[in-house]
Amino acid sequence: SQTIHQWPATLVQPVGSPLSLECTVEGTSNPNLYWYRQAAGRGLQLLFYSVGIGQISSEVPQNLSASRPQDRQFILSSKKLLLSDSGFYLCAWSAGPNYGYTFGSGTRLTVV
Amino acid sequence: GENVEQHPSTLSVQEGDSAVIKCTYSDSASNYFPWYKQELGKGPQLIIDIRSNVGEKKDQRIAVTLNKTAKHFSLHITETQPEDSAVYFCAAFPGGYQKVTFGTGTKLQVIP
Repeated sequence: SQTIHQWPATLVQPVGSPLSLECTVEGTSNPNLYWYRQAAGRGLQLLFYSVGIGQISSEVPQNLSASRPQDRQFILSSKKLLLSDSGFYLCAWSAGPNYGYTFGSGTRLTVV
Repeated sequence: GENVEQHPSTLSVQEGDSAVIKCTYSDSASNYFPWYKQELGKGPQLIIDIRSNVGEKKDQRIAVTLNKTAKHFSLHITETQPEDSAVYFCAAFPGGYQKVTFGTGTKLQVIP
């Protein structure tokens, strides 16, 4: 069966520090991968998605970037965090168009 | 692009009563409609979905109905229990695209 792993679960980082969140999927190949951000009590904002290795589409211009160095690995990064980067970050995968998403357990990021 | 509206934003029901959450979508090409349940501090989980060639789908206490003509779909939870308390998100997939549009979420509170 397919599983998705996301870490760390919680992270407290100072303003101006770098960020690296990692997401890996097991049990499938060539998944579509997504990064979402969720502010407290708010909906899901799509940040990036990838349909293949090295292919990244950005939805929102911001302080973040994403990379997909391997088929089942998706990384969210920042060179310098801002206070506004705080939130709940979710990784998800799908088998392709019109297939449901499976979400990871999320990373709670607090920038102080 | 696709636009999904979800109502209500909050819903309180007595244990044992039914709960209904409604979503409307704008793109008539959308053909896949999942519902997700998100418990506090966790990632959303798929609870039920429906495709455009089906009008209704049921899974125990949960059902989803789809009206393609009116472009709306609804989640029905019967005999609600305290563990049903969570945020529920609807979504619409505009066929052939790689990413989904989510509703803004409904916070359901089941009062014991």
